[in-house]
Amino acid sequence: ILNVEQSPQSLHVQEGDSTNFTCSFPSSNFYALHWYRWETAKSPEALFVMTLNGDEKKKGRISATLNTKEGYSYLYIKGSQPEDSATYLCAFPDGSSNTGKLIFGQGTTLQVKP
Amino acid sequence: KAGVTQTPRYLIKTRGQQVTLSCSPISGHRSVSWYQQTPGQGLQFLFEYFSETQRNKGNFPGRFSGRQFSNSRSEMNVSTLELGDSALYLCASSVGHTMNTEAFFGQGTRLTVV
Repeated sequence: ILNVEQSPQSLHVQEGDSTNFTCSFPSSNFYALHWYRWETAKSPEALFVMTLNGDEKKKGRISATLNTKEGYSYLYIKGSQPEDSATYLCAFPDGSSNTGKLIFGQGTTLQVKP
Repeated sequence: KAGVTQTPRYLIKTRGQQVTLSCSPISGHRSVSWYQQTPGQGLQFLFEYFSETQRNKGNFPGRFSGRQFSNSRSEMNVSTLELGDSALYLCASSVGHTMNTEAFFGQGTRLTVV
């Protein structure tokens, strides 16, 4: 059974702080690693889909790195703002079944205080 | 471009009843997946449809079923509802496999079983 772990489970930071969270996934049979942001009362929204070892992606103040050999990805938020408050999910495609099945971590809930 | 649309948004049903939820994917997307989120649980995969065929099913009882129509719209049905079926049900669409491409989520249907 594939398992995706995220840490920490929750995080409270002050506006302006930089923060990062971790996603751990099986290092074998790697296809891709997805990051989603899920704001309250909205739909989960894709941030990044990462496919190559050493990949680094950036969207504004948010960036992510990928290490497929050791099975982890980091998500960084520079200078957190209250609008960054959300649950951040990583997901690992279940490639063994050759379908679109995504296995999600439990998420990291970020609260940014003004 | 319209996003993923789920109907209804909220639903209250009685134990033993059945329910049908609907998902209209983004135009041109052929893959539709369904996920369940219950309090304290991450997103759990229910099933995925591609070109009207169910390609994979998660670890849920047979009371949970679904289908996809020729226009890629999908429905999921839960029969003989139990209290534990109360959850947020999300559907996601993607162009093909979600392994290398992002999934686009609807806002979900909040089902309450009383």
